[in-house]
Amino acid sequence: EVQLLESGGDLVQPGGSLRLSCAASGFTFSSYAVNWVRQAPGKGLEWVSTISGSGDTTYYADSVKGRFTISRDNPKNTLYLQMNSLRAEDTAVYYCAKYPTTVGGKTGNYFDYWGQGTLVTVSS
Amino acid sequence: DIQMTQSPSSLSASVGDRVTITCRASQTISSYLNWYQQKPGKAPKLLIYAASSLQSGVPSRFSGSGSGSDFTLTISSLQPEDFATYYCQQSYSTPSITFGQGTRLEIK
Repeated sequence: EVQLLESGGDLVQPGGSLRLSCAASGFTFSSYAVNWVRQAPGKGLEWVSTISGSGDTTYYADSVKGRFTISRDNPKNTLYLQMNSLRAEDTAVYYCAKYPTTVGGKTGNYFDYWGQGTLVTVSS
Repeated sequence: DIQMTQSPSSLSASVGDRVTITCRASQTISSYLNWYQQKPGKAPKLLIYAASSLQSGVPSRFSGSGSGSDFTLTISSLQPEDFATYYCQQSYSTPSITFGQGTRLEIK
């Protein structure tokens, strides 16, 4: 059974940093691209970042480019999101979600499995 | 960015009703359109990919159609567990994918 389990969400002050983790199980982690998708309270879904299965290709939404860094540790089956220079508008539940392909930039991709999410609150 | 617009934003329906939700893209996206269901406090769940392909394990009362810029999600006979929020998502401009704003389906 595919499982994705996020952790690391917390209350952080504006300008602060936080690292999220997503532990994967039930599939060959290194064979699939994975993503972070967020949802602000009471709002819709927003794609944040994608990393390829090998970890050599990454993509970011304009809203987080230059502040967030996605990475993965394939031997540990874990995905990360390093979040720096946090803003109030980054407050959201952050989900990790996998693609059914190893390539993150492939047209036609979709999120076939999601974690349960972890809440990040940016407030003073 | 490709904008995705869903209609209606919310609707009320009864168990057994046939329901259709529409999603329109700001440009043509071929059939690169996916649908998700989200229940309160839960993660989204994939229902339909590539406009009309049913994800494994999803009941057959869910169906999707459309191509180009106009798409629909249809639930043929609403069940109590179907009351949720539904999102469309375009994957034409991957990696920069975008979602619709969501359609909240409530019990009448």
